[in-house]
Amino acid sequence: KAGVTQTPRYLIKTRGQQVTLSCSPISGHRSVSWYQQTPGQGLQFLFEYFSETQRNKGNFPGRFSGRQFSNSRSEMNVSTLELGDSALYLCASSLNKFLGGELFFGEGSRLTVL
Amino acid sequence: GENVEQHPSTLSVQEGDSAVIKCTYSDSASNYFPWYKQELGKRPQLIIDIRSNVGEKKDQRIAVTLNKTAKHFSLHITETQPEDSAVYFCAASNPAGNMLTFGGGTRLMVKP
Repeated sequence: KAGVTQTPRYLIKTRGQQVTLSCSPISGHRSVSWYQQTPGQGLQFLFEYFSETQRNKGNFPGRFSGRQFSNSRSEMNVSTLELGDSALYLCASSLNKFLGGELFFGEGSRLTVL
Repeated sequence: GENVEQHPSTLSVQEGDSAVIKCTYSDSASNYFPWYKQELGKRPQLIIDIRSNVGEKKDQRIAVTLNKTAKHFSLHITETQPEDSAVYFCAASNPAGNMLTFGGGTRLMVKP
């Protein structure tokens, strides 16, 4: 069974641009969540989707958005990029509707904003 | 919202010694507490988890304890090996079960 797949793995953008990251969960997993990982702030929750519905959103500005498609694949978008958005963006999928089972992470998309 | 604090931020032990990492959480309604291990350049991976109705769980050299009254939980690694060197994150799930709040991480270094 394939794991969580994230694309692209690395990307470089300049301030003011926008970026879209993609995540394909493990087959059969309907919950997809996104986390931002930075050296200073650790792992911070961005949002979570289940069956195309955003169930929860972290404390990030409106420039950060996401969506989930009917096949459970998810995308997140960051508009008007700032230097501070440089981070590793991790996607994770879960089989269960409610956490209590394993959250499987992808390798991440490393975004550098110049 | 939930706040999870993790200590220490770095921990260095000799091979064969034990390592203990401690976390505290703020929301008494949190009910699921996983621990993740992240090796350098790799994805976080679940190593053990515990639910709020259990006080202790063990899996070979790894154990987790939970004190709901004090709102803290700990990871215990016995007989540490060099391959245990990694960053360890504790986390707490919100009551709705759809997000994890992570601690700041502990960099564990096991010296051979």
